[in-house]
Amino acid sequence: LAKTTQPISMDSYEGQEVNITCSHNNIATNDYITWYQQFPSQGPRFIIQGYKTKVTNEVASLFIPADRKSSTLSLPRVSLSDTAVYYCLLSNNAGNMLTFGGGTRLMVKP
Amino acid sequence: NAGVTQTPKFQVLKTGQSMTLQCAQDMNHEYMSWYRQDPGMGLRLIHYSVGAGITDQGEVPNGYNVSRSTTEDFPLRLLSAAPSQTSVYFCASSPRDLNTEAFFGQGTRLTVV
Repeated sequence: LAKTTQPISMDSYEGQEVNITCSHNNIATNDYITWYQQFPSQGPRFIIQGYKTKVTNEVASLFIPADRKSSTLSLPRVSLSDTAVYYCLLSNNAGNMLTFGGGTRLMVKP
Repeated sequence: NAGVTQTPKFQVLKTGQSMTLQCAQDMNHEYMSWYRQDPGMGLRLIHYSVGAGITDQGEVPNGYNVSRSTTEDFPLRLLSAAPSQTSVYFCASSPRDLNTEAFFGQGTRLTVV
C-alpha cells in the first residue's frame, strides 16, 4: 500500500472548522481513503471513508480531488472533545491490513 | 453488542516469560488483526487473519505467534517476552470487505521488565 503523509500536529479553537490534508501520491486504483480518530488510551475509531469526490456523514466530510493524490478531512465546528490523533490510511481488498502512519495530533483550545 | 474485547487490560511480565493476549469479537467478522503502538507513534501491524485457519505476518511479526481456530477468537502469544515488546496492543476486526469500518478493542498495555 502507498504511504500517506500528514502534518504532525495542528491547533484550533472551539467552534472553528478544521481541515486536515493527507498526501498519498502513489495511491493505487483500487485503494480507498479512510480516516480514523484515536483518543488517549483507546483504540482507533472509524470516522469516514471515500474513493473520490466528496463524502459526508454526521461527524465529518472527506474531500478527494480528481487525481486522488491527496484528501482532506473536514471537521465542522470542533469542540474540546475533538482533541485526538487523526490517521489517514489507504485500504484495499488485496488482503492487506490497515497501514497506519504517524497521524495528526489535533489540539482544540477553548 | 460487545464488539471487540481484549483481555487483560494491563499486564506486567518479566523478561523471558510467556503469555497470551486474548481477543474476541462477536460481529462474525472474517478479518482480524493485531497491532502494537509505541509511545507517540502510529499502530504497526503484527499479524492478521482473513478467516478461521488462515493467518499471515504483518510488519513486525518477530517474537509473536497467532492462531485462528474460530471466527470469534484471535489470540496473540508472546513466547519469551523481551523489554522491546513493552507496548500497547490493539486487536481489530472487520468484515470481509476491507473497504469498510474496522473495529478496535480497548487495548492491552504490556510492560516487560
